[in-house]
Amino acid sequence: IAGITQAPTSQILAAGRRMTLRCTQDMRHNAMYWYRQDLGLGLRLIHYSNTAGTTGKGEVPDGYSVSRANTDDFPLTLASAVPSQTSVYFCASRRAPQGESPLHFGNGTRLTVT
Amino acid sequence: AQTVTQSQPEMSVQEAETVTLSCTYDTSESDYYLFWYKQPPSRQMILVIRQEAYKQQNATENRFSVNFQKAAKSFSLKISDSQLGDAAMYFCAYRFGGATNKLIFGTGTLLAVQP
Repeated sequence: IAGITQAPTSQILAAGRRMTLRCTQDMRHNAMYWYRQDLGLGLRLIHYSNTAGTTGKGEVPDGYSVSRANTDDFPLTLASAVPSQTSVYFCASRRAPQGESPLHFGNGTRLTVT
Repeated sequence: AQTVTQSQPEMSVQEAETVTLSCTYDTSESDYYLFWYKQPPSRQMILVIRQEAYKQQNATENRFSVNFQKAAKSFSLKISDSQLGDAAMYFCAYRFGGATNKLIFGTGTLLAVQP
């Protein structure tokens, strides 16, 4: 079934540790995104990539980095996790950065930083 | 900067009744898209309906319809004949039609459906 796969589903992480959240899509979408969801704040864009080889900063990029070495994968790395990064993280993709193509979401990763 | 506001943190509706969720947005752009997403307890984000700003006709998808008031920058979601499965968090979202492509979400409305 075509879609977006995120891993892990959930994770408890000690503060200061490094963590990479994985995101893979098999729809050959050009644009990919990382959001974090926090109660009362909705979803906020962390980083995005319009096409393989390019990335951009969203609303809340500090403490996170991304890479887009190929079309399918868009990992999100927390270099040194802090408790404020406790959140649910969603990866999403679209066929193209512009136009009417809808946004597809993964099922999210629940991350707890202790 | 574009913003999306959902002023109703929680709403409740009786099964088979109709409920309207409010959303307002702020933008200086003329070309943009608006969306409603549903997030049930499973955490999955599901696209409910979308509206292109250049279209005057309100979008409809089965029991879901929108009231798009471009001048007032309002984009409300009406759910008719509410069902227990409609219980979820609903997010309104805005996307600029140009090169920036960022999707901006509201803070969500938690809808409860009473049997």
